[in-house]
Amino acid sequence: AQSVTQPDIHITVSEGASLELRCNYSYGATPYLFWYVQSPGQGLQLLLKYFSGDTLVQGIKGFEAEFKRSQSSFNLRKPSVHWSDAAEYFCAVDVYNYGQNFVFGPGTRLSVLP
Amino acid sequence: NAGVTQTPKFRVLKTGQSMTLLCAQDMNHEYMYWYRQDPGMGLRLIHYSVGEGTTAKGEVPDGYNVSRLKKQNFLLGLESAAPSQTSVYFCASTCREQLCNQPQHFGDGTRLSIL
Repeated sequence: AQSVTQPDIHITVSEGASLELRCNYSYGATPYLFWYVQSPGQGLQLLLKYFSGDTLVQGIKGFEAEFKRSQSSFNLRKPSVHWSDAAEYFCAVDVYNYGQNFVFGPGTRLSVLP
Repeated sequence: NAGVTQTPKFRVLKTGQSMTLLCAQDMNHEYMYWYRQDPGMGLRLIHYSVGEGTTAKGEVPDGYNVSRLKKQNFLLGLESAAPSQTSVYFCASTCREQLCNQPQHFGDGTRLSIL
């Protein structure tokens, strides 16, 4: 079945440590790919997106993500985590590449230790 | 810039009651969406609209109805609320072009509890 998976439900890292959140999708073609962040009680904010071209994309707040076609993955990374990065992170896929059908992963909750 | 505004922010209903959630966007977006968010399940699409006067079913449409009478507004209705509809509801909008800078703008959500 077509899906978006985020294998890690909850990740805890120390402040200053590096971070990688995993995302895999199972669609035949290469969809548009996104990462969103949700702080408690808030809506979703777009961190970055991949449509085509360079497979390493830069986003806001120091985040980056790398698209790997062979692995159907779009993992999110940050070299040094800040306490304010504690939030829930969602990977999303635009299945038909025209904005009508976003499919979200289940989310990964990030906790940051001082 | 207001972006996407959802009202109300919180609501408690009794089983069988009806209510309407309002989503308003001021970005002249063509597409609008209603999602529900439940723990461990991410966001699931309830209904969406690709333009004024048009609506379509998403992944979990049962028990909900929608209307898009004006381009800027997208209403989500619960005709007879059930406890299974306890959730956080998010509205989103996006422009028509494929390469929008912001593929989907989200509201802050409506937390709905059905007793």
